[in-house]
Amino acid sequence: ETGVTQTPRHLVMGMTNKKSLKCEQHLGHNAMYWYKQSAKKPLELMFVYSLEERVENNSVPSRFSPECPNSSHLFLHLHTLQPEDSALYLCASSQDLGFLYGYTFGSGTRLTVV
Amino acid sequence: DQQVKQNSPSLSVQEGRISILNCDYTNSMFDYFLWYKKYPAEGPTFLISISSIKDKNEDGRFTVFLNKSAKHLSLHIVPSQPGDSAVYFCAAWRGNQFYFGTGTSLTVIP
Repeated sequence: ETGVTQTPRHLVMGMTNKKSLKCEQHLGHNAMYWYKQSAKKPLELMFVYSLEERVENNSVPSRFSPECPNSSHLFLHLHTLQPEDSALYLCASSQDLGFLYGYTFGSGTRLTVV
Repeated sequence: DQQVKQNSPSLSVQEGRISILNCDYTNSMFDYFLWYKKYPAEGPTFLISISSIKDKNEDGRFTVFLNKSAKHLSLHIVPSQPGDSAVYFCAAWRGNQFYFGTGTSLTVIP
């Protein structure tokens, strides 16, 4: 049990579908993150939330829409995705922004866009 | 442009021997480095870190070395065990985010 839970574990969606990825942490952390991991590429930071406010958006296309309703939950809403968006999407949390002792990652959602 | 590079996608080592995983970076402003370990179907987990003011940090079987002049980071695992088989990512901190390498898959052969 990592303390960061992501659902679903796997998702296949068509390019016209709308779906959401969910992340939940029970660690009392104040910062939460969405990362994308594509094959043979490094983890790419997508969004950062601190105390439920978005503090970073790394030039992510608008077809990805994050939501942080409270400090324990983070969503990534997906709509009209492209096949190149197929990747592993990882959620992470940390005590605070700039916490240097590492993030706690979830197991990820393996997304396939067909 | 990739600022953190792991040029070896995979490494195989005999059980009991030393595993050396390497990481190179381009930005001299990085001031903190970490190694993560990832098993299949799990998220990365924090393994060991080092500040840029140090050149070595040790935790049990794991030692991280930092050569700032060469912009090179390495992780030594001694002795290697089959349970160490995983993907290892290095990460460097600057500003308010980590920059990750692409990972090296380590296989420890019993």
